[in-house]
Parts: sequence; C-alpha cells; structure tokens
Amino acid sequence: DIQLTQSPSFLSASVGDRVTITCRASQGISSYLAWYQQKPGKAPELLIYAASTLHSGVPSRFSGSGFGTAFTLTISSLQPEDSATYYCQQINTYPRGLTFGGGTKVEIK
Amino acid sequence: EVQLVESGGVVVQPGGSLRLSCVASGLTLNQYTMHWVRQAPGKGLEWVSLISGDGYTTFYTDSVKGRFTISRDNRINSLYLQMSLLRPDDTALYYCVKAYYYDGSGRAVYDMWGQGTMVTVSS
Repeated sequence: DIQLTQSPSFLSASVGDRVTITCRASQGISSYLAWYQQKPGKAPELLIYAASTLHSGVPSRFSGSGFGTAFTLTISSLQPEDSATYYCQQINTYPRGLTFGGGTKVEIK
Repeated sequence: EVQLVESGGVVVQPGGSLRLSCVASGLTLNQYTMHWVRQAPGKGLEWVSLISGDGYTTFYTDSVKGRFTISRDNRINSLYLQMSLLRPDDTALYYCVKAYYYDGSGRAVYDMWGQGTMVTVSS
C-alpha cells in the first residue's frame, strides 16, 4: 500500500494565521489526493479533491496544491471554526488499497 | 434531508459476528458506489470495503478479507457490512460513505458520510 505521511501531527495557531499542512506519499500518486476535515465527534467532510479542487461549499480560505509525492493544504486565514483534524487520502490505487494520512490536529491558540 | 444513517454497532466478543446497516434517505443508492470506512478510538481513518452500485463488484482491505462481506439491497436503499471472526483490532466507529466520481479516471473521493456506528470487540 501507498503510505501517506502528514506533518505536523499537531499545530497550534492564532486566528488570522496562515497554516500549512504537508502530506507526502511513499510513491507518486499524480494528483489523486483529497483532503478531509473532521471536527470532534463528527464525521469527516470533504474539503479538496484532485489535489487542488475545492469541494462545493468549502470556504475559499482553504486551498490545496501538489503533484506526485508532495502535497499541501493551506488555510490562508485561520478561523475559530477551523479547529479540527485534517486528513489526506490517496485514491491513485482506487478501488484497492485506499489509504489516509495519520492526521493533523489544528488547535486555535 | 439527504443523509446516511448507520446502525447495528454493539459490544461483541472476540470471534463473534455482527451485521452493520446503512440506510440512505434523500438519494437513490443504486446510483452510487458505497464504501465502509472505520476509525479506531482516538486514531485515524481506515478504508474497509467498497461495493459498486449494482452490487456485483466488491473490494476489501487485506485485514478483513475472508471475514467481512459487503452487500446492498437497492430496493430498500440499504448497505450492509457482515462482520465475522471479529478481533479486538476491529474495534472502531464504522462509517457508511458515498463515493463521488469527479472525473473520468474511475477514481472517487467521499462526499457524504454517515454519523457512524460503534463496534467494540471485547471479552
């Protein structure tokens, strides 16, 4: 299976800060990467797919980039409601061996 | 309201069996490939299984092959996961998830999740 490594695993930032989360794949996955946001006690929600396409209804402060093995999720101006855990997922091997990164917990200072 | 609602999660002994259900409302399930994704307490997400819209194609993660069976009944808009030979490491919140094919590559992401149903395997 393709391994996804997210960094950092935890970050604490202030409202208005620019935040970047990295996801690295153990082998090339083209642009077949998605990002999900999971708030405490809730199911995950799709934020971005195809590495950089914002899902319908997702605020424009979220953006994604990358190709191959290195990807980033950026929150341009952190808001209180962005406190959550963020996961990347590779779908290059769809329908088999779908894998997620270990998650990045974002805390608001 | 469009939603997926899972049920069936309980506490079960190691080696036991269990069937999870997911009922869809507000959407016609037979149009969609569906997945099960699980999350162990305090841990990350793990893909478990998928089934095509017509029910003929299924895939499983290696750790559940031969023990879990995914199925669906499109007449009643329902998805199932039959779990047997359960192990403590199967303990998790199990999500029913809808696949979203966003281009012609045949690859999909998840655009709708249920609230999850908790399975605990413990003696």
